[in-house]
Amino acid sequence: EVHLVESGGDLIQPGGSLRLSCAASGFTVSSNYMSWVRQAPGKGLEWVSSIYRGGNTFYADSVKGRFTVSRDASRNTMFLQMNSLRVEDTAVYYCARDGDTWRANDYWGQGTLVTVSS
Amino acid sequence: DIQMTQSPSSLSASVGDRVTITCRASQSISRNLNWYHQKPGKAPKSLIFAAFSLQSGVPSRFSGSGSGTDFTLTISSLQPEDYGTYYCQQSYSIPITFGPGTKVDIK
Repeated sequence: EVHLVESGGDLIQPGGSLRLSCAASGFTVSSNYMSWVRQAPGKGLEWVSSIYRGGNTFYADSVKGRFTVSRDASRNTMFLQMNSLRVEDTAVYYCARDGDTWRANDYWGQGTLVTVSS
Repeated sequence: DIQMTQSPSSLSASVGDRVTITCRASQSISRNLNWYHQKPGKAPKSLIFAAFSLQSGVPSRFSGSGSGTDFTLTISSLQPEDYGTYYCQQSYSIPITFGPGTKVDIK
């Protein structure tokens, strides 16, 4: 059974850094496309970043240069390193597995809350 | 970037009603359109991918149609557990973009 568990969310001051983790079970992270999607309080869904099977990475303009997505095959885990955090980065961050052909996010984690505030 | 719009922004319907939500892309996205359902405080759940393919385990009362720029999600007979917000998403090109959502309430 596919399962995704995010962790690492916290209350952090503006300008700070945080690393989110997404531990997977039931499939191999490095053999799949994976994404981070966030949702600010009371708002809709926003794509943040994706890492492709071959290792290519992609980012929303709003986080480019500040966030880095990576994965560790030995831990079957995906990460999101978030630097220079801003108040507007406050959101629940979800990790998701992307389907092979059509890239729909077929499985989602429960989310982890990142609050950026002084 | 491809912009996604949805209508209506919210609706209220009775159990057993047929409900239709539309999604429009700012340019052609072929069949690369996905639908999600999110209940308050929960993670989104994938319903339909590639415009009309039902995800495994999703009830058959959900269906999708469309291609190019105009898409539709239909719930043939609304059930009490179908409340929440429905989002469309284009996976045609980076950046991936979502529609603003349609909130569905049960009368």
